[in-house]
Amino acid sequence: AQSVTQLDSHVSVSEGTPVLLRCNYSSSYSPSLFWYVQHPNKGLQLLLKYTSAATLVKGINGFEAEFKKSETSFHLTKPSAHMSDAAEYFCVVTHSGSARQLTFGSGTQLTVLP
Amino acid sequence: NAGVTQTPKFQVLKTGQSMTLQCAQDMNHNSMYWYRQDPGMGLRLIYYSASEGTTDKGEVPNGYNVSRLNKREFSLRLESAAPSQTSVYFCASSEAGQGARDTQYFGPGTRLTVL
Repeated sequence: AQSVTQLDSHVSVSEGTPVLLRCNYSSSYSPSLFWYVQHPNKGLQLLLKYTSAATLVKGINGFEAEFKKSETSFHLTKPSAHMSDAAEYFCVVTHSGSARQLTFGSGTQLTVLP
Repeated sequence: NAGVTQTPKFQVLKTGQSMTLQCAQDMNHNSMYWYRQDPGMGLRLIYYSASEGTTDKGEVPNGYNVSRLNKREFSLRLESAAPSQTSVYFCASSEAGQGARDTQYFGPGTRLTVL
């Protein structure tokens, strides 16, 4: 069995300050992990993914995430928030080649204040 | 190159009515997926098609049927809509090979309300 927990349903930051969105996972096997972003009334877009290569993964728009096996975490960070980063973010885990084993977190809504 | 397209964008149905949601992709992907998104929950997989000619149930298949019409198109049908099927529906596609480890590309969604 596997699961993913996004620890904050809402995060607010000021423009220009760092962003931290937290994700913990549970998986019996070596997982693959993804972060997706969803802007209002849009589909999901892949930010980055980890598939057992380097533990620090760089994604689009200045985001990165670090896979920490000992902490079962895959937190998403960005050094400096931009207004356009306001969106909902989903952490996703799978350990399998089967689409049935893809598990989405419940999402974190990021608000960026001017 | 439009990516993944979905029609319609919005739909309102009465309980018991039927409808088909259409999805098409122009990326020559082998695998296609249907998800639903409900408030406070992540996406949940309804059905998927690993390759042309195959379909399989996901986490929440009850009340839905699918058809993989050809490599490009994957439709989702509600035979007798219920209020519990009010949701936002997303179609996605991926290249294949790694299954769930593939990057999935999502359409813009269909907002369905069942009264």
